[in-house]
Amino acid sequence: AQTVTQSQPEMSVQEAETVTLSCTYDTSESDYYLFWYKQPPSRQMILVIRQEAYKQQNATENRFSVNFQKAAKSFSLKISDSQLGDAAMYFCAYRSRGYGGATNKLIFGTGTLLAVQP
Amino acid sequence: DVKVTQSSRYLVKRTGEKVFLECVQDMDHENMFWYRQDPGLGLRLIYFSYDVKMKEKGDIPEGYSVSREKKERFSLILESASTNQTSMYLCASSFGGFRTHEQYFGPGTRLTVT
Repeated sequence: AQTVTQSQPEMSVQEAETVTLSCTYDTSESDYYLFWYKQPPSRQMILVIRQEAYKQQNATENRFSVNFQKAAKSFSLKISDSQLGDAAMYFCAYRSRGYGGATNKLIFGTGTLLAVQP
Repeated sequence: DVKVTQSSRYLVKRTGEKVFLECVQDMDHENMFWYRQDPGLGLRLIYFSYDVKMKEKGDIPEGYSVSREKKERFSLILESASTNQTSMYLCASSFGGFRTHEQYFGPGTRLTVT
């Protein structure tokens, strides 16, 4: 079974600085998807960024980028130029690439609570 | 924009009550999911459905059941609520097959069982 581990329960960053959130996972599959989701306080969870395992290039979405190390099974999220609105719980998630059934489900880490200091 | 709505943001129920949590999505998604979110445990899948009237157990189905009579609606049922079911419940939906992999989440229902 696949597992996702986020070893940093809480992190803090100064506004305008850069922060990296860690995520490791365990799987025997060779093809899969990895995600970072953001859950702001009392607001809906939204997708931040997605990485397909067969793509070697790291995904980037504006100030958000990932460092995907497939051999090390590591998938960290870097937030550049941190803003107050980045304060949230961040979840790393894994999904198999297969079709249908249990492959549709996401496996989540335990989350990292990010505080942004003004 | 995809919209996933849940019937209540906050709910307080007594032990032994039957509880219904409703989720509706407006994007014609095949897949719908119910997760439970607890501090330090992340999100854990309770049940999911990949088609009308179809359902599969997730990782923690005990004490829960689900119903999907229409494509846009997925209900989570607590047959006899217990205090250990006090939690945040999140509904999500996504397209099926290979079309997409993103799940869209509702705002959550914070359930307290006293």
